[in-house]
Amino acid sequence: QQQVKQSPQSLIVQKGGISIINCAYENTAFDYFPWYQQFPGKGPALLIAIRPDVSEKKEGRFTISFNKSAKQFSLHIMDSQPGDSATYFCAAALDRGSTLGRLYFGRGTQLTVWP
Amino acid sequence: DARVTQTPRHKVTEMGQEVTMRCQPILGHNTVFWYRQTMMQGLELLAYFRNRAPLDDSGMPKDRFSAEMPDATLATLKIQPSEPRDSAVYFCASGLGPFNPGTDTQYFGPGTRLTVL
Repeated sequence: QQQVKQSPQSLIVQKGGISIINCAYENTAFDYFPWYQQFPGKGPALLIAIRPDVSEKKEGRFTISFNKSAKQFSLHIMDSQPGDSATYFCAAALDRGSTLGRLYFGRGTQLTVWP
Repeated sequence: DARVTQTPRHKVTEMGQEVTMRCQPILGHNTVFWYRQTMMQGLELLAYFRNRAPLDDSGMPKDRFSAEMPDATLATLKIQPSEPRDSAVYFCASGLGPFNPGTDTQYFGPGTRLTVL
């Protein structure tokens, strides 16, 4: 059972446009929500993360929006650039119990930014 | 620049052969994760260790997969016998636990691309 559902599976955006990737979760015990970025031939790398006590976090052109009541969070990439073309994974984690540190990943979104 | 290293980067083998993948976590990290990535399933957690002890290996097919940490600088994932459905990219990640969500993260290696013919 997929603990974190991610959409869309693929996304094509024009350079300068806004890329939006959405994720939803069921387990209300999750309290850490990172996004990972993966380039072809590389391992995923942490991009940005948020805790549920804030509704938004911004780092440069990347923003996470978090809706605790809806159990949804999303990644917005402003002024998308061809160099942003990669696969993006959302994830969630618990901080309780023996699963401390385990990340539950979404299926990934392949983003292509056309020049 | 500390990073997770994995060997080999690519492995092609025939069905039935034993495959061993190795991971060197970042020095000082006490938690190691093994993931498998395929187009169909995405990133799946196979197993993870803390202080060299297995915490969870429920994602791993027990009959053919085994994961160990012989010492703090080496983690291994072994498949015996290998099957074509094991073809995937296998990632190792390390981190410092117990995690403080929001301040700690997992650092991924470059992966081992396994092809079983």
